[in-house]
Amino acid sequence: QSALTQPASVSGSPGQSITISCTGTSSDVGGYNYVSWYQQHPGKAPKLLIYEVTNRPSGVSNRFSGSKSANTASLTISGLQAEDEADYYCSSYTSSSTRVFGGGTKVTVL
Amino acid sequence: EVQLVESGGVVVQPGGSLRLTCAASGFTFDDYTMHWVRQAPGKGLEWVSLITWDGGGTYYADSVKGRFTFSRDNRKNSVYLQMNSLTTEDTAFYYCAKGGGGYELDYWGQGTLVTVSS
Repeated sequence: QSALTQPASVSGSPGQSITISCTGTSSDVGGYNYVSWYQQHPGKAPKLLIYEVTNRPSGVSNRFSGSKSANTASLTISGLQAEDEADYYCSSYTSSSTRVFGGGTKVTVL
Repeated sequence: EVQLVESGGVVVQPGGSLRLTCAASGFTFDDYTMHWVRQAPGKGLEWVSLITWDGGGTYYADSVKGRFTFSRDNRKNSVYLQMNSLTTEDTAFYYCAKGGGGYELDYWGQGTLVTVSS
């Protein structure tokens, strides 16, 4: 149950697009289309942003989008805004029927 | 409106035990898998455990297997995490989360802090 690999930090200027990667194995990310992404602001609970690789829950901005290729999933934030400054976590279903999270990525809006 | 309210977090000594409770409302509780996820102060999220809608299946992270037990009472719309043989590495905020229609965690509580310290 090793954690998925995410970059520790990503930054961008307002209006730019950024992409956060999430690398796993064929036993998790690569084996299933069950990758989800979560946003967490300081002192707050995580919030679901993306599920099943590409789907957005109702109410989530269409500036957030997800994709996957082989063992790596990605979250793209378009039109970066100050309110997007937060920690982002990916998660995947695993072959053991458990879940695994990435180490988290801190997004900074310059 | 979905609400998940955790309780039971306290300061406990190493080797001690604790039971966390999560009270749910705003959805048909016995239709959904439930999860516990923890976060050590200043660290990332760590998935801990899940329980199926009927309580018939439970799964655990290797770090807690054999020490933690996840249960639910569908009559009370509540889930419970029994934590035994606690160590300082179990110090964390513990979040209760609702499973979505797929494999995601679509709603989260605000968390309860467990501190293991002598």
